[in-house]
Amino acid sequence: GAGVSQSPSNKVTEKGKDVELRCDPISGHTALYWYRQRLGQGLEFLIYFQGNSAPDKSGLPSDRFSAERTGESVSTLTIQRTQQEDSAVYLCASSRQGAQETQYFGPGTRLLVL
Amino acid sequence: RKEVEQDPGPFNVPEGATVAFNCTYSNSASQSFFWYRQDCRKEPKLLMSVYSSGNEDGRFTAQLNRASQYISLLIRDSKLSDSATYLCVVNKENRDDKIIFGKGTRLHILP
Repeated sequence: GAGVSQSPSNKVTEKGKDVELRCDPISGHTALYWYRQRLGQGLEFLIYFQGNSAPDKSGLPSDRFSAERTGESVSTLTIQRTQQEDSAVYLCASSRQGAQETQYFGPGTRLLVL
Repeated sequence: RKEVEQDPGPFNVPEGATVAFNCTYSNSASQSFFWYRQDCRKEPKLLMSVYSSGNEDGRFTAQLNRASQYISLLIRDSKLSDSATYLCVVNKENRDDKIIFGKGTRLHILP
C-alpha cells in the first residue's frame, strides 16, 4: 500500500521567504508527527497531531513555524520568513494510533535557505 | 541526564563480528522502546520494538534493563549492509503519545 508521502522533495528558497511543506500520511493513521533533521544531527521533534485532540506544539522552535492538519489526512508545515538555520530535512511520520505504534516516515523535504 | 542518550560512535566493526550498543533513558516511567535504523540520506525505519522480556529477530537482539534504565541492541555476524545509524526511541514520561528519538549511533561495517 501507499506509504507516507511528502512534497516537495527538495526546496530552495531565499532568506525571508515563506515555505509550505506537505505531508500525506498513511490512510487511517490518526497520529502524525513532524521532525527536523539538520545535516549530521539527530531528529528534532516539532509537532504532533493525534486525532481531534489539540496538537502538541511543544517542539516548534519559534513562532515562525506553524502546522495544520485537516482531520486525519494531509498536514502542512509552514515556515515564515525563513532563515538560513532553517535549512534541514523535514520529516513527517504517521502511526496508527500513537507513540506505542510503529512510526512510518516519509522521504522528507530537503529545505535549503540561501 | 538527557532524556535519551546514545553513544554517537562511529563504531567501526569488521564484517562478521558482533557489535552491541546501548541507549540510556532518564524517565523510569517510560513504557515503549524501539530501535530504528536510518541509512545515509534516507528516512528512519523501524528495526524492532523492545519488549520487557527482550526479543530477537534473526541476527538482531534487543534487551531492556529497567533497573538501569537502558536498552541495548546486539548485532551478530554483522554484514556490510548493517552500516547505518541506529536510533533509540523511548516514549516520554508515562504518556503513550510522546516519544523521544536519540541522536543515533553510527555503525560502519568494514570489509
